[in-house]
Amino acid sequence: QKEVEQNSGPLSVPEGAIASLNCTYSDRGSQSFFWYRQYSGKSPELIMSIYSNGDKEDGRFTAQLNKASQYVSLLIRDSQPSDSATYLCAVNKGATNKLIFGTGTLLAVQP
Amino acid sequence: EAGVAQSPRYKIIEKRQSVAFWCNPISGHATLYWYQQILGQGPKLLIQFQNNGVVDDSQLPKDRFSAERLKGVDSTLKIQPAKLEDSAVYLCASSPIARRGDYEQYFGPGTRLTVT
Repeated sequence: QKEVEQNSGPLSVPEGAIASLNCTYSDRGSQSFFWYRQYSGKSPELIMSIYSNGDKEDGRFTAQLNKASQYVSLLIRDSQPSDSATYLCAVNKGATNKLIFGTGTLLAVQP
Repeated sequence: EAGVAQSPRYKIIEKRQSVAFWCNPISGHATLYWYQQILGQGPKLLIQFQNNGVVDDSQLPKDRFSAERLKGVDSTLKIQPAKLEDSAVYLCASSPIARRGDYEQYFGPGTRLTVT
């Protein structure tokens, strides 16, 4: 079992729709969860962090965390073609600040 | 606030040659990370420094890779000798001292290494 798992996609959604990206993790001791956006040929850019169960909203982005199910998700409302990118889920390992990254989900927003 | 700086942005070398990458973290960030990202994969941590000290280098291939962080600021990552499988993007990231478990890391633009 991978430490952080994501569906590689591509996930294709029409412009204006909600994109839902999912991530599961194996370490029950993890406390910090992050979503990074990575455009082709660019470096990862931090877009959301979440530390407590529940939802956290920032503009069109909502991160959801369920520690009991070891599941974290990212919702993108009113998806735009500029949101087309690979979305990386990252989870800290145990009580450390070492991040384990998933392989990323490629999102394609169709105009 | 200036971001993480890296150089060079691109490097092409032949196998068995050596190469070095440089990173300057965000001002005031105590923790610095070097990652390797192979095409189609997520970043993999190679080494983590907190100030001058190494916190984690468990995935650093120490027979060919070395890294240092002088005076707790800039860092260099070296590969000697390079192999074909070292072709990847080398990312540097930094974060402030973690408070209450928040470990937000910010990445530099990366160095794309091609080994031929």
